[in-house]
Amino acid sequence: EPEVTQTPSHQVTQMGQEVILRCVPISNHLYFYWYRQILGQKVEFLVSFYNNEISEKSEIFDDQFSVERPDGSNFTLKIRSTKLEDSAMYFCASTPKGVTYEQYFGPGTRLTVT
Amino acid sequence: GENVEQHPSTLSVQEGDSAVIKCTYSDSASNYFPWYKQELGKRPQLIIDIRSNVGEKKDQRIAVTLNKTAKHFSLHITETQPEDSAVYFCAASMKTSYDKVIFGPGTSLSVIP
Repeated sequence: EPEVTQTPSHQVTQMGQEVILRCVPISNHLYFYWYRQILGQKVEFLVSFYNNEISEKSEIFDDQFSVERPDGSNFTLKIRSTKLEDSAMYFCASTPKGVTYEQYFGPGTRLTVT
Repeated sequence: GENVEQHPSTLSVQEGDSAVIKCTYSDSASNYFPWYKQELGKRPQLIIDIRSNVGEKKDQRIAVTLNKTAKHFSLHITETQPEDSAVYFCAASMKTSYDKVIFGPGTSLSVIP
């Protein structure tokens, strides 16, 4: 069964550095999302992306964040200048076009900012 | 925007007993309610979902009920097993098929052998 994949599984970075988290959604999916989960807390929506543009973003998704679909397969989340509070698990998800509602989550990237 | 509340935050049951988790949502436009199971360090896994035109749905030991009038929905797990131990999240999503999912705060379920 096709799955969403994410790399790296764990990223350690220093405060103020830029990081890029990568996702490969399921190939025939058209809607893409990033969520984050701070340790021990709920999963929070960051941004949704469709047709090469952002559909919706949350308050968390400020100017330090950006998303891109640089080619036909990858979907990236960039954090320009990381802060300690950006430490979290970041999940990518995708959904096919049509009546299905289910979002398929990737395994996540654990980001640790020191 | 949508807000999803969930209780209890922790739940311990004896193996074989039932577990019930309850959620409420705030936005009447929400019409899709998935439940996710998350094991430690893993991705959320969809275990069952329900749409607003249905009041109840069952899949083996798992059932969900939805009361749209009261904006309540619940997860019922019967004959619990140790492998059911995990964090369970209820969630809500709006009318479009590609809308974001808003998660509840989670319930940590422990099934004691």
